[in-house]
Amino acid sequence: QVQLVQSGAEVKKPGASVKVSCKASGYTFTSYDINWVRQATGQGLEWMGWMSPNNGKTGYAQKFQGRVTMTRDTAISTAYMELSSLRSEDTAVYYCARTIVNTGLFDPWGQGTLVTVSS
Amino acid sequence: QAVLTQPSSLSASPGASASLTCTLRSDINVATYWIYWYRQKPGSPPQYLLKYRSDSDKQQGSGVPSRFSGSKDGSANAGILLISGLQSEDEADYYCMIWHSSTWVFGGGTKLTVL
Repeated sequence: QVQLVQSGAEVKKPGASVKVSCKASGYTFTSYDINWVRQATGQGLEWMGWMSPNNGKTGYAQKFQGRVTMTRDTAISTAYMELSSLRSEDTAVYYCARTIVNTGLFDPWGQGTLVTVSS
Repeated sequence: QAVLTQPSSLSASPGASASLTCTLRSDINVATYWIYWYRQKPGSPPQYLLKYRSDSDKQQGSGVPSRFSGSKDGSANAGILLISGLQSEDEADYYCMIWHSSTWVFGGGTKLTVL
């Protein structure tokens, strides 16, 4: 079945970077986009950006421009989201989601990765 | 003013219907937008429910019961998720989403309580 499995929880210090992975299975990795969404504890969903595994093209939310990088390794059907210059406000669960190209149909979602930023 | 506004909470009884609204900022006309709806249960990632633009342009998520449906209220400039025949398992957070200014924008979410 179609599945996205994300890497495990991370604890980082302010100013550090974190790289979250999202391994896809059950479908052709390059035929769908990957979107990244985060959610702080008790808060709503916040879109971060998207990436096309087919050609590596990306689009980032203005809020994260300059701090986020989305990449992929097609050989192992894995997408990555790296966020730099971490601050406490970046503490959240980060989700990847398979997306039909040029739509907002995010399905399925990964299980989520908790990133905690604390000194 | 937020791009998308959802009531923070809504309560309804089992078997009843619930209408969850997603109001677009006044300078954004709901008529031309696809409205996406997601449900999130505690401790789980969101799940896609459906997307709606018009009665002739809509799509139900795979396995999503037909008692979940989308619509729009042009006079209120809002998208609507209607859940009929409420069940206890429908208790969750519901989010709407649109594509606006090259960004996917989520509403703040509505916590639906079934009691």
